[in-house]
Amino acid sequence: DVKVTQSSRYLVKRTGEKVFLECVQDMDHENMFWYRQDPGLGLRLIYFSYDVKMKEKGDIPEGYSVSREKKERFSLILESASTNQTSMYLCASSLRRWRGNTGELFFGEGSRLTVL
Amino acid sequence: AQKITQTQPGMFVQEKEAVTLDCTYDTSDPSYGLFWYKQPSSGEMIFLIYQGSYDQQNATEGRYSLNFQKARKSANLVISASQLGDSAMYFCAMREREDSSYKLIFGSGTRLLVRP
Repeated sequence: DVKVTQSSRYLVKRTGEKVFLECVQDMDHENMFWYRQDPGLGLRLIYFSYDVKMKEKGDIPEGYSVSREKKERFSLILESASTNQTSMYLCASSLRRWRGNTGELFFGEGSRLTVL
Repeated sequence: AQKITQTQPGMFVQEKEAVTLDCTYDTSDPSYGLFWYKQPSSGEMIFLIYQGSYDQQNATEGRYSLNFQKARKSANLVISASQLGDSAMYFCAMREREDSSYKLIFGSGTRLLVRP
């Protein structure tokens, strides 16, 4: 079974703390993504990566950074957590488009972060 | 402007009946893909169905079908013979071919509740 694993299902952090959200996939996918999910807003893309050490900003990158040192691992970093970053964070991966596939995203189970 | 619009924040359906979840999209790219995902209360995003813009026939996957009306830019999900386990959030998403990032753009979602 294909699998995307997020390191923590639930986290509670304090304002100003540095937060690391880890994501690992075992499908040898080139593309990896971090989305944020909020009620009424759907999923919004924070950052994505299409190769090791490559990263590109999504629609809402402010306050976040990412790291992709290995193909299977994509980390989301909140340098100084704030209360407005309380949210569900979803990691996803996909094959590179030209392999003739649909580009379906495979998601992890999500990490619910609360910043106090 | 919203690229993916889901106008139904919540819907009810009686068990064993069919239900249609609405999705409209906005793109000028002639080549694009449309996706539906299901998110149960557990949080994981489950891929349901895919429709390519050049596909001649509407996509079907078991009890799921996609009512694709290209001229109207709509991609409604039809679930036949609803089951209690269909209660979940449903997200419509789009990927544009000209966007080489392979990212999906998501709508705000529809929460479906199946009544026994």
